[in-house]
Amino acid sequence: GAVVSQHPSWVICKSGTSVKIECRSLDFQATTMFWYRQFPKQSLMLMATSNEGSKATYEQGVEKDKFLINHASLTLSTLTVTSAHPEDSSFYICSARDLGQGSNDWAQYFGPGTRLLVL
Amino acid sequence: AQSVSQHNHHVILSEAASLELGCNYSYGGTVNLFWYVQYPGQHLQLLLKYFSGDPLVKGIKGFEAEFIKSKFSFNLRKPSVQWSDTAEYFCAVRAPAAGNKLTFGGGTRVLVKP
Repeated sequence: GAVVSQHPSWVICKSGTSVKIECRSLDFQATTMFWYRQFPKQSLMLMATSNEGSKATYEQGVEKDKFLINHASLTLSTLTVTSAHPEDSSFYICSARDLGQGSNDWAQYFGPGTRLLVL
Repeated sequence: AQSVSQHNHHVILSEAASLELGCNYSYGGTVNLFWYVQYPGQHLQLLLKYFSGDPLVKGIKGFEAEFIKSKFSFNLRKPSVQWSDTAEYFCAVRAPAAGNKLTFGGGTRVLVKP
C-alpha cells in the first residue's frame, strides 16, 4: 500500500516551454501533497505544500508563478514549471500524506521523481 | 526552525559489518522522526518512524533506530549489512508545532562491498 506515482519519469524540453508533472496517490487518498526538489548529491528541499481544493503554500524563495501547483482531487496534484530555463533542470519529487493515518502520527510517502532537463 | 544533521556523508563497509548512521536535530519540542532509504535508481522508501513510546524503533530490512531525547539524536543501526543495503539514507524530522514540515538531513551514501 501507500504507493505514489509520478509522470513523466523524465522530460527534456526547450528553454521557454512549460512542463507539467503529475503526482498520484494510487491506493490512498491524500489531502496533502508535497513537492520537493533534489539537486545532485544534495538532500530534498521542500518547494511547496498543497492541500486538496486550496492554494498551495510555497516555501521562501520558491516562485509561485513559476512553479504552479494544482491539487484538484484527493489523488492528484500537478506541478507545472512555466517558462522553464536551464537552471530549472533538477529532480522533482512529490510526496503524499495518507488521509487514513492519524492526525499526529502520519508518514509521507514519496513518488519516484521526475528528472527535468531544460535545454 | 528545525535542522537535521547527518555527520557521515559517505560510509564504506564490507558485508556482515555493523552499520550505524548518526542523525542529530535541533528542535527542542515534540518531534516525529524518520529514516528513509533511496536505493540506486529508486524512490525514497520509509525504513522506520518514531512518534512516541519505546525509543527503540524497529523497521524493515533489519534496521532499527534509537531516539535519545537528551542528545537530540536518532541514530540508525543494522547489525550485519548486506551488499543490497548499498543506498543513500536520509534522516528526517517533523515538528508538529512548527508547521508539520518534514526537514531532511543531507543524506549518507552507504557502499557495502561484497
